[in-house]
Amino acid sequence: DADVTQTPRNRITKTGKRIMLECSQTKGHDRMYWYRQDPGLGLRLIYYSFDVKDINKGEISDGYSVSRQAQAKFSLSLESAIPNQTALYFCATSDPTQGSSTGELFFGEGSRLTVL
Amino acid sequence: GQQVMQIPQYQHVQEGEDFTTYCNSSTTLSNIQWYKQRPGGHPVFLIQLVKSGEVKKQKRLTFQFGEAKKNSSLHITATQTTDVGTYFCAGRVAGSNYKLTFGKGTLLTVNP
Repeated sequence: DADVTQTPRNRITKTGKRIMLECSQTKGHDRMYWYRQDPGLGLRLIYYSFDVKDINKGEISDGYSVSRQAQAKFSLSLESAIPNQTALYFCATSDPTQGSSTGELFFGEGSRLTVL
Repeated sequence: GQQVMQIPQYQHVQEGEDFTTYCNSSTTLSNIQWYKQRPGGHPVFLIQLVKSGEVKKQKRLTFQFGEAKKNSSLHITATQTTDVGTYFCAGRVAGSNYKLTFGKGTLLTVNP
């Protein structure tokens, strides 16, 4: 089983609909992240959380919100989806105590969202 | 804001040829990480470089961190079809313990 699990893996929705992408992890990491990937644009940080009571905006947080329900769960919401939010979304975790002060990112398998 | 530029965007090689991708940051980095994403997959961590001038090797892969800690490279010797994928660098600025800024990636395709 994957250590970082994202649901749904694929979703097609219509403009204006509310969408939630969920992420759960069994790695025991405190830090969790949501990234967005668009072709040719790399990975851009949407939101990140260092623990259950800590939520921070990333580079492209407009139009998105998050909830850290527990150490293991971090969900991303699009309150009113629009077509330019069509992208591949990745959840990731890290543990800064592993090996260095920074820690590598462990990614989920991704959630492909299409907004029509 | 901090930018990490990565070139080339695409590289197609014949199997057995070498491959290099380069990253340049607009600011000095505390460290840089490299990830590989296979087609249809998710990014997977390869390595982290921390020291100025550092060179690390993983079999056919050689990673370098520049003396000024503003640039880095990944070199693959004698590519194989299993090397196909997108390679990303991701830099972290000193004092910013969360923010990894990713390059746009280099898509490597290998002709057998």
